[in-house]
Amino acid sequence: DTEVTQTPKHLVMGMTNKKSLKCEQHMGHRAMYWYKQKAKKPPELMFVYSYEKLSINESVPSRFSPECPNSSLLNLHLHALQPEDSALYLCASSQENNQPQHFGDGTRLSIL
Amino acid sequence: QKEVEQNSGPLSVPEGAIASLNCTYSDRGSQSFFWYRQYSGKSPELIMFIYSNGDKEDGRFTAQLNKASQYVSLLIRDSQPSDSATYLCAAGRYKLIFGTGTRLQVFP
Repeated sequence: DTEVTQTPKHLVMGMTNKKSLKCEQHMGHRAMYWYKQKAKKPPELMFVYSYEKLSINESVPSRFSPECPNSSLLNLHLHALQPEDSALYLCASSQENNQPQHFGDGTRLSIL
Repeated sequence: QKEVEQNSGPLSVPEGAIASLNCTYSDRGSQSFFWYRQYSGKSPELIMFIYSNGDKEDGRFTAQLNKASQYVSLLIRDSQPSDSATYLCAAGRYKLIFGTGTRLQVFP
């Protein structure tokens, strides 16, 4: 069990669907992250939120839209995804940026 | 292009031996260094972090950092079959760059 909770664990969606991934932590961490991980590859950073403000966007396509409603929650809104977007999406949090990041179990996303 | 490099392995060691995992990084501005363990189909799990040159020990794990050589290592003492996993090295300042990971196999 991890202290970073991600829902759903699995998601299958069509290319025209809109869905959201959710991430929650109650450790009082002020930095939260979204990563994308393809099979047998390392996690790739997508977005960083620090004190609820977007601080890093790694040139992610606009079909991925992050949102940080409060210090405990992080969402990733998905729209018009492509089959190559199928991957494990990982949320992580840390006390502050540059400190140890703790990962959730991830959402395994499949685009049909 | 900032990079973190690891030997992909597999690194095979017998149970009870010391496993030595190595990593180099290209960004001299990196300030934080982490080792994560990832079992197949699971998310990364933090094993060790180190910020200063030298050694840091936690149980069976020792992380070593040499900033002059841009080199980080992880030693696992008394390796167990349950240590068999992919070990990811990560380095960075405001964001982490992950290496491709080293697959460790510990055989009985």
